[in-house]
Formats: sequence, structure tokens, C-alpha cells
Amino acid sequence: NAGVTQTPKFQVLKTGQSMTLQCAQDMNHNSMYWYRQDPGMGLRLIYYSASEGTTDKGEVPNGYNVSRLNKREFSLRLESAAPSQTSVYFCASSEEPRVTQYFGPGTRLLVL
Amino acid sequence: DQQVKQNSPSLSVQEGRISILNCDYTNSMFDYFLWYKKYPAEGPTFLISISSIKDKNEDGRFTVFLNKSAKHLSLHIVPSQPGDSAVYFCAASERTYKYIFGTGTRLKVLA
Repeated sequence: NAGVTQTPKFQVLKTGQSMTLQCAQDMNHNSMYWYRQDPGMGLRLIYYSASEGTTDKGEVPNGYNVSRLNKREFSLRLESAAPSQTSVYFCASSEEPRVTQYFGPGTRLLVL
Repeated sequence: DQQVKQNSPSLSVQEGRISILNCDYTNSMFDYFLWYKKYPAEGPTFLISISSIKDKNEDGRFTVFLNKSAKHLSLHIVPSQPGDSAVYFCAASERTYKYIFGTGTRLKVLA
């Protein structure tokens, strides 16, 4: 039982490049989330998915797209990376909305 | 406009003593609160929660107190242990899945 896994752990991009951050959970949770954490700030919600095929914007969705491929996987895509997207990205899942969220280990992204 | 504030960026406590971490919020409609602990290079881990219909919730060494009139919650850790050294985040939500997180307090428990 791995919980929530994220790949890659670390990535360096140049401005304008694209990439997809992968997230998978093996807890059979319905809800999945993508957050970013910046220095001196709390976690901010980027996107949320209540179930396969459904997504909803969070607090800071601009510049990102998401895909809920199936119940297990929720990916985050940066189409054209910008230095302002340098951050640590966390994926999380929960059985239902509002209850305890389980977080992955994070992806550290540096955009030059 | 920060709706959830943790005004103390850091806190140092002697092992065995009580650690008190504070969190203030501005939105009176928040009805559910969570505390998470985070170690370096790891994701946050859930610690304890409290609903707005309660004023206290206890789980082992961890107790969360909620003062709705003051819009304030606090996390008490008794006794503090070196393994408790981490960053602690409070989070609040208003009847939705959207949680607003505080900026965190770094706790250091001195042996």
C-alpha cells in the first residue's frame, strides 16, 4: 500500500516548455487534489477532482490543466511553463470531499 | 487577504514541555478545521481535526481547541518530543472541499 505517489520528484524546465506531473493513489479514494506550496505561503489548491471525469478549479488554476484519467490517477499539466510556476507541487486524495486528505511526497519544479 | 493566519513562523520548546501552536481566521463561515504536520521533503500528514460544533478535540498527545468568538484555534502537544519537530499547518473550510491553509509554524523541540 503505497498511498499517494508522485512523479517526478524533481524537475527543471526552461520557460515555455511543457510537462505533466503524475499522481496516483491506491486507496480507492474518490476525491483528488493538486496543490502548490511557495515559500512563506500555505498550500494553495490548483484543481480538484470529485471523481473520474470531473474536475473543478481551485484557488490558482491559471496556467494549468488537469486530467482525471481514472479513479487512481490525476495528472497536472503545464502547457507553457513560466518562472512563476516554480514551486513544490503536492497531490492529495481523500475518500470524500472535506475529510482527511492524504498527501504525496511532492514534486519540486524549477522553471528557469 | 489571508483568511487563515499563523502569526508565529517558528517556535522552540524543551522536550517534555507543552507546545502551543496558534491559528487565527477571519471567515466566520468556516466550519471545519484541520491540522497537518510536515517534515522536510515529505508531504503533509494529517494530525487532528475539529468541527465548529465542538470546542475541543483530543487525540493522544494532541489537543485542538476552537474559540469561535475569537476566531482562533490552537494545537497543544503534551508532552513535546524531538520527533514532533516539523512545520505545522492549520487549514479551514467553509462547507466545501476547498481548504484554506495557513503559512505554517516551524516547531523545534529541543532535547
